[in-house]
Amino acid sequence: DTAVSQTPKYLVTQMGNDKSIKCEQNLGHDTMYWYKQDSKKFLKIMFSYNNKELIINETVPNRFSPKSPDKAHLNLHINSLELGDSAVYFCASSQEPGSATSGRTDTQYFGPGTRLTVL
Amino acid sequence: SQKIEQNSEALNIQEGKTATLTCNYTNYSPAYLQWYRQDPGRGPVFLLLIRENEKEKRKERLKVTFDTTLKQSLFHITASQPADSATYLCALDNDYKLSFGAGTTVTVRA
Repeated sequence: DTAVSQTPKYLVTQMGNDKSIKCEQNLGHDTMYWYKQDSKKFLKIMFSYNNKELIINETVPNRFSPKSPDKAHLNLHINSLELGDSAVYFCASSQEPGSATSGRTDTQYFGPGTRLTVL
Repeated sequence: SQKIEQNSEALNIQEGKTATLTCNYTNYSPAYLQWYRQDPGRGPVFLLLIRENEKEKRKERLKVTFDTTLKQSLFHITASQPADSATYLCALDNDYKLSFGAGTTVTVRA
């Protein structure tokens, strides 16, 4: 059973197009994330949802719009794709968001990634 | 500015030796630190978590230390095997999210 799954695994598209990536987790977690990993392998958080509510929105162009229809799903829609959007996008989930004050930790489970290539 | 630095980008070692990876951070005050393993073409996989009040954590052949004074974590793979070849990422708790280092790629030669 795949814990965190993403579709598609590969996405090749032209500049200016709109595309979506889907993510599903069957771990019963409350929190889900989108990360971008660039060519230098640097993994950077984009968004986080807890119980379908957006809790983290890093400095990401508003061409990127996440959507969480329920706790088990977090999709990412990208409008007007640009060359610089080419990267691997990872979805992840954790039981809850981390919090230093409460002592909660956010051990994360990652999906297999979606390699997006914009031509 | 905040920075997470993992030692060299690549580490090549002989099978059976101990690999030691470092993770140094600046302008963070993490309550805990995590280490992940990433294989080519796959997502990161959680290995170990260590809290700020813990000095050392072990799991099988892996050992992690955390020194909040030095602002450093060390990650050791003892009796390394070719199957340990991968990229290892450290991640710091940072205000409801994790901030990741760029990773160190370990290659274990048979």
